[in-house]
Amino acid sequence: DARVTQTPRHKVTEMGQEVTMRCQPILGHNTVFWYRQTMMQGLELLAYFRNRAPLDDSGMPKDRFSAEMPDATLATLKIQPSEPRDSAVYFCASAAASGRSEQYFGPGTRLTVT
Amino acid sequence: GENVEQHPSTLSVQEGDSAVIKCTYSDSASNYFPWYKQELGKGPQLIIDIRSNVGEKKDQRIAVTLNKTAKHFSLHITETQPEDSAVYFCAAFNQAGTALIFGKGTTLSVSS
Repeated sequence: DARVTQTPRHKVTEMGQEVTMRCQPILGHNTVFWYRQTMMQGLELLAYFRNRAPLDDSGMPKDRFSAEMPDATLATLKIQPSEPRDSAVYFCASAAASGRSEQYFGPGTRLTVT
Repeated sequence: GENVEQHPSTLSVQEGDSAVIKCTYSDSASNYFPWYKQELGKGPQLIIDIRSNVGEKKDQRIAVTLNKTAKHFSLHITETQPEDSAVYFCAAFNQAGTALIFGKGTTLSVSS
């Protein structure tokens, strides 16, 4: 069945290292979202794309985070350099053509920065 | 911008009882309100949603009600079962109508 996939599922890295998280949206979905989940802040929207173009990345720390969609089947979220406060679960979600349609979440990437 | 408040943050019920989670939103232009269930170690899963042209929607044991005048909506789970134990999130669209703003979540525990 169609689902959003994310890799890696878990990542442990040292402070200062680059981290790349990948997402494959559901085939045919043209809107992709990146969220970060922490106990303190809950689910925060970092950025989202429609038809591979970034629509809003105001939730993302610009100095260290970057999000791209090299093609319709791949979205990436990079952190460089990583910091301990970036430790969280990062979710990707996708939605169909209508901007107000249901979002489907991936299983998440649990990032730990030591 | 849009703000979504969710209560309670934790809820414990006995198996078979009903559970109600409430959310309020700030942007009167919002017209889509989904509810997500998140089990441990998994991503949020859409369980039910409601659009502003209806006041109530049911799907088996779960229902959502919407009061647009008061700007609040609620999730109702009847005949709760242990497998209903999870974190539940409500959400509403942001002002631009392009992205969801989530509540802080409610941890529901159903004991048998």
